[in-house]
Amino acid sequence: AQSVTQLDSQVPVFEEAPVELRCNYSSSVSVYLFWYVQYPNQGLQLLLKYLSGSTLVKGINGFEAEFNKSQTSFHLRKPSVHISDTAEYFCAVSEYNTDKLIFGTGTRLQVFP
Amino acid sequence: EAQVTQNPRYLITVTGKKLTVTCSQNMNHEYMSWYRQDPGLGLRQIYYSMNVEVTDKGDVPEGYKVSRKEKRNFPLILESPSPNQTSLYFCASRRGQGQTEAFFGQGTRLTVV
Repeated sequence: AQSVTQLDSQVPVFEEAPVELRCNYSSSVSVYLFWYVQYPNQGLQLLLKYLSGSTLVKGINGFEAEFNKSQTSFHLRKPSVHISDTAEYFCAVSEYNTDKLIFGTGTRLQVFP
Repeated sequence: EAQVTQNPRYLITVTGKKLTVTCSQNMNHEYMSWYRQDPGLGLRQIYYSMNVEVTDKGDVPEGYKVSRKEKRNFPLILESPSPNQTSLYFCASRRGQGQTEAFFGQGTRLTVV
């Protein structure tokens, strides 16, 4: 069965510093990977997704993620964060030809001035 | 504008009083889901629907019902709410399986006292 692990429940960082949010998944078949962001009092919105092809995926707001099949990871990165990036970030996995979208437990990114 | 609309956004109710949370999407998506979000647990799927009159249980279906009489609507019904159903609920829709992204509503914060 597929599962998603986000090891860091909270990541504090200063403004303009780089950040990496970690995501590992387990699945016995091919998967599609997603990162969603949830701003306070809002629903989730898609940051980026990996379907196939280049393992480095660029998303909105300067975020990018790298798919590593051998390490079953899909870590999210940003070279320089802003205060406005303060939010909760969810990694999600969907197996080929299935209905289920499985989410990790989320990582709260707190950016300090 | 493509959107998923949930109502109400906030709801306080008493134990045992039946309630319905509505969800509507205007994207003609086949797949719709309900999730609950709890601290430290991420998003867990309650029920999902692959098309009109086709629904199935997710990971935490106990105490919930759903129906899909029209493609655009997917209400969540709590026949006899209990305090452990106090949570943040999200409706989501997807065009298809696997690689398609999910679009989320703004969320419904339910408190059962």
